Order: sequence, then structure tokens, then C-alpha cells
Amino acid sequence: KAGVTQTPRYLIKTRGQQVTLSCSPISGHRSVSWYQQTPGQGLQFLFEYFSETQRNKGNFPGRFSGRQFSNSRSEMNVSTLELGDSALYLCASSPDRTSGGPLDNEQFFGPGTRLTVL
Amino acid sequence: AQTVTQSQPEMSVQEAETVTLSCTYDTSESNYYLFWYKQPPSRQMILVIRQEAYKQQNATENRFSVNFQKAAKSFSLKISDSQLGDTAMYFCAFMIPFSGNTPLVFGKGTRLSVIA
Repeated sequence: KAGVTQTPRYLIKTRGQQVTLSCSPISGHRSVSWYQQTPGQGLQFLFEYFSETQRNKGNFPGRFSGRQFSNSRSEMNVSTLELGDSALYLCASSPDRTSGGPLDNEQFFGPGTRLTVL
Repeated sequence: AQTVTQSQPEMSVQEAETVTLSCTYDTSESNYYLFWYKQPPSRQMILVIRQEAYKQQNATENRFSVNFQKAAKSFSLKISDSQLGDTAMYFCAFMIPFSGNTPLVFGKGTRLSVIA
């Protein structure tokens, strides 16, 4: 089974621009979560999508948004980029079956998209 | 809100030796899951080991084992017979189950270097 894939792997943008990152989950996984990783703040949860609906949201400004398609692929968008948005953006997928056990909720991470804002 | 604290930003260990990484957490929940994730340099994060809070027995996966102390809210990771491939960032993480795949809450990480 192919793992979680993220595109692009690297991205350089300038302040004020917007950017769209893409994530393809493991086949059969229905939940996709996004995290931002920075040296200062560590790993912070952005949002989670399940069945094309945002189910959980972290504490990020409205410039950060996302969506999920019917095939479970997900995109996140950051508008009006700021220097502080430079980070590694990680996507994780999970089976999210109904039992709620650790195997059902285990999150499998992609390689990330390294975003640099100049 | 749940918090996870890893008090050792960096550690090093000689190859073949044993090392223990510390993690403490804070929660008012009684049922939860704890995880250790490994993120090698420039490679993706993978799950090392998981522990369910309702299980008293400490989880073990080959050379990796945990010391789970629920009352103390402590969840340390022991790596035995350290190998060069164990060099990585290690993140302790917490999750509350049964509420719609709640997000992982991560500690800041411990950078482990295995020295030949």
C-alpha cells in the first residue's frame, strides 16, 4: 500500500502571496489531519477533515483553510503569507473506523511540504 | 487542555548502549492513548510505540519499551542496544479516543544522537 504523499515537497513564496498544499492519504483512510512544524513552536495541529467536512480545528488564524475531496485527498491553503508561516507542513491520514481504538486512530504521516516565505 | 512536556531537548548515546527519553503530560481525562514518534533527519515521521492508558502493562516493540506511570503522568521511552539508525527527533504525543479522531498533542521533541 502506498503511503501518504504530499506535493509539492518544497515551496518558496514571498510575503502576501497565497499557497496551496496537497495531501493524498493512504488508500481507504478517511481522515486527514494537518500539522505545522516549526523549531520554535514544535508540532501544532491545524485542522482535520473527515468525509469532506472539517471535524476539528486548531488555533490558527482564518488565513489557514483546507478542504477534503470525495476521494479523501485534502488540500490546505494559506492566504496572505507571512514570514512566520515558514514551516514544515505535515499531513497525516488515519483509518478512523468506528471502534475508536489506537489502531483505528493511528496517524500515518507524509514527508511534509517545506514552505519558505521570503 | 492537554499538554505534553519533554524536558530533554537533546541527548546522545553510544552505539549499543541504552538510553531513556522522558515525557510527562497533563490531562484530566482517565482514558487516553500515548505515543512515541520518530522523525529521522529529512525523513518522515513514523510511530515507534503506543500505550493505552487503561492497560497497566508497559508496551514493548523489539528494542523499544516504555515506562508508563499513570499516577505520575509519566511516559518514558527506553531504547536498548542503540543503533546509528536510531538517530532522530523523538516526539511524545497524546490523544483522547472515542471523540472523532481528536488531534495528537505533541511535546517539543528530544533530538537523539547515536554515536559510533
